[in-house]
Amino acid sequence: EPEVTQTPSHQVTQMGQEVILRCVPISNHLYFYWYRQILGQKVEFLVSFYNNEISEKSEIFDDQFSVERPDGSNFTLKIRSTKLEDSAMYFCATNTGYDGELFFGEGSRLTVL
Amino acid sequence: KQEVTQIPAALSVPEGENLVLNCSFTDSAIYNLQWFRQDPGKGLTSLLLIQSSQREQTSGRLNASLDKSSGRSTLYIAASQPGDSATYLCAVKGGSEKLVFGKGTKLTVNP
Repeated sequence: EPEVTQTPSHQVTQMGQEVILRCVPISNHLYFYWYRQILGQKVEFLVSFYNNEISEKSEIFDDQFSVERPDGSNFTLKIRSTKLEDSAMYFCATNTGYDGELFFGEGSRLTVL
Repeated sequence: KQEVTQIPAALSVPEGENLVLNCSFTDSAIYNLQWFRQDPGKGLTSLLLIQSSQREQTSGRLNASLDKSSGRSTLYIAASQPGDSATYLCAVKGGSEKLVFGKGTKLTVNP
């Protein structure tokens, strides 16, 4: 069964360092998303990406965050200068259409020290 | 602003029991509602998607209902098994790209 693949599964970094999280979407999916879940809290929307551009972003998604699809397959989330409060599980999600079923990856756990 | 609430926060039942998980949302103008399962430290597994025009969806032992006008959804699990132990999340999609999630119900099914 097709699945969303995320790497790395866990990354530990020092505050102020740059981090890139990677996602391989399901092949025929057109809409891509990043969500995050801080330990013990709700899953929160960060950004949606369609047709090679950001279609919506939350207030969390400030200038330190960026997304791109550099090679037509991988979908990446970059955090330019990590803060302690960026420690969370980051989930990539994809679907075929605006109101379609959303499929999530297994997540990338980011720990900022 | 859409708010999603799930009650109870935790539920412990003996194996074989039928159970209902509740989800409520404040803004009834939704496109769809999706139920997910999350195992500890893992990703979200989609269980059921209900479009706003639908009243219910079924998959195996799971049945989800949607009452958009009252802002409620329920997830019914029949004949629960220890393998059903997980956190169940409800999420709604309104007039934007994002899903808004509840905090989840942590279910424990005891053998």
